[in-house]
Amino acid sequence: NAGVTQTPKFRVLKTGQSMTLLCAQDMNHEYMYWYRQDPGMGLRLIHYSVGEGTTAKGEVPDGYNVSRLKKQNFLLGLESAAPSQTSVYFCASSYSFSWGRGNSPLHFGNGTRLTVT
Amino acid sequence: TQLLEQSPQFLSIQEGENLTVYCNSSSVFSSLQWYRQEPGEGPVLLVTVVTGGEVKKLKRLTFQFGDARKDSSLHITAAQPGDTGLYLCAGALYGGTASKLTFGTGTRLQVTL
Repeated sequence: NAGVTQTPKFRVLKTGQSMTLLCAQDMNHEYMYWYRQDPGMGLRLIHYSVGEGTTAKGEVPDGYNVSRLKKQNFLLGLESAAPSQTSVYFCASSYSFSWGRGNSPLHFGNGTRLTVT
Repeated sequence: TQLLEQSPQFLSIQEGENLTVYCNSSSVFSSLQWYRQEPGEGPVLLVTVVTGGEVKKLKRLTFQFGDARKDSSLHITAAQPGDTGLYLCAGALYGGTASKLTFGTGTRLQVTL
């Protein structure tokens, strides 16, 4: 089982350049998420989607855009990269977000390490 | 503002020792999850606790949810090198939307022979 696949694994950008991170899941999950992970700050939610064609802002959405044209794919775009966006980006998916029932974990990809110089 | 603070931030112990990791908040959570993350990989769910005072065991790992649902702990008995990794707690605030699953600051554990 592939689960959640992220591409690319590594990327170096110069300030002002743009790029798109691709996330694909094969579990038929409705819900997909983009997080960034920085030392000492845990994981912070950038944007999420509750289904094909929908997106919503998370905790730190500024400087990022997302699209969910197909259920299995969730794209994260940086239109004009800044050094503050240097981070490790994780995509995740879940069957639902009924966290209280304890039966819907987040399934994460292996991350994209992005450096903006 | 970080809603979930984990302590300690780093922990380096020898194989066979016991340890406890804490996850604290001033907010009340409807449920709390613990994840483990190994280098170069994404976090993987270990357990979800949903009831105040609940204790769950996963082999040598014991998870407890505080009675007031504001804190949680992870206790590892007789740690092994395979336990090495970053441990993250994640709390779900009442309301249940995806934006309200908040991750802690993380505890990096290293277990040496």
